[in-house]
Amino acid sequence: QKEVEQDPGPLSVPEGAIVSLNCTYSNSAFQYFMWYRQYSRKGPELLMYTYSSGNKEDGRFTAQVDKSSKYISLFIRDSQPSDSATYLCAMTSTGANSKLTFGKGITLSVRP
Amino acid sequence: KAGVTQTPRYLIKTRGQQVTLSCSPISGHRSVSWYQQTPGQGLQFLFEYFSETQRNKGNFPGRFSGRQFSNSRSEMNVSTLELGDSALYLCASSYLRGPYEQYFGPGTRLTVT
Repeated sequence: QKEVEQDPGPLSVPEGAIVSLNCTYSNSAFQYFMWYRQYSRKGPELLMYTYSSGNKEDGRFTAQVDKSSKYISLFIRDSQPSDSATYLCAMTSTGANSKLTFGKGITLSVRP
Repeated sequence: KAGVTQTPRYLIKTRGQQVTLSCSPISGHRSVSWYQQTPGQGLQFLFEYFSETQRNKGNFPGRFSGRQFSNSRSEMNVSTLELGDSALYLCASSYLRGPYEQYFGPGTRLTVT
């Protein structure tokens, strides 16, 4: 079982839809959870960053972490064509040798 | 503030050759991490440098090495290239040591023929 699993997609939605992206993980030591957005031919861009369980909101984006279920989500409200990109979840434990473990990413297409 | 820059952006090499990739972090950032991104394996951590010392290493063979200079710029070297080394190599910088709040560069696309 991979440490981080992410729905492979792709996902296509109409403009204005609410998008839900999810990841599950198996390592209970993970404490920090991130979402990155990667446009074609670009490097990943940090979107959201949360510590432990709970919700975090930033504009149209909401990140949710449920450590009891080992499940994280990213919600995008009022999706726009400019949101079309690959979304990667990433997570890490704390400590000297902590490193980011990424999901494979899901490609989202928002149709005008 | 300028972002992370990587050079070159594209590279074509032949099996058995070696290659050096360069990364300039965001000004003031002291940590540089390198990642390999492939369609099959996704994004995988190679190593992290902080204050010119390798602080952490992923599960890659010794053919992959790196270094960091006193100005925080970093280079990554791959020796004896194999076809499977074809990938997008990404560099990420952060102010603090560790994988927190990392900012990625655009990557170097390496093709090994």
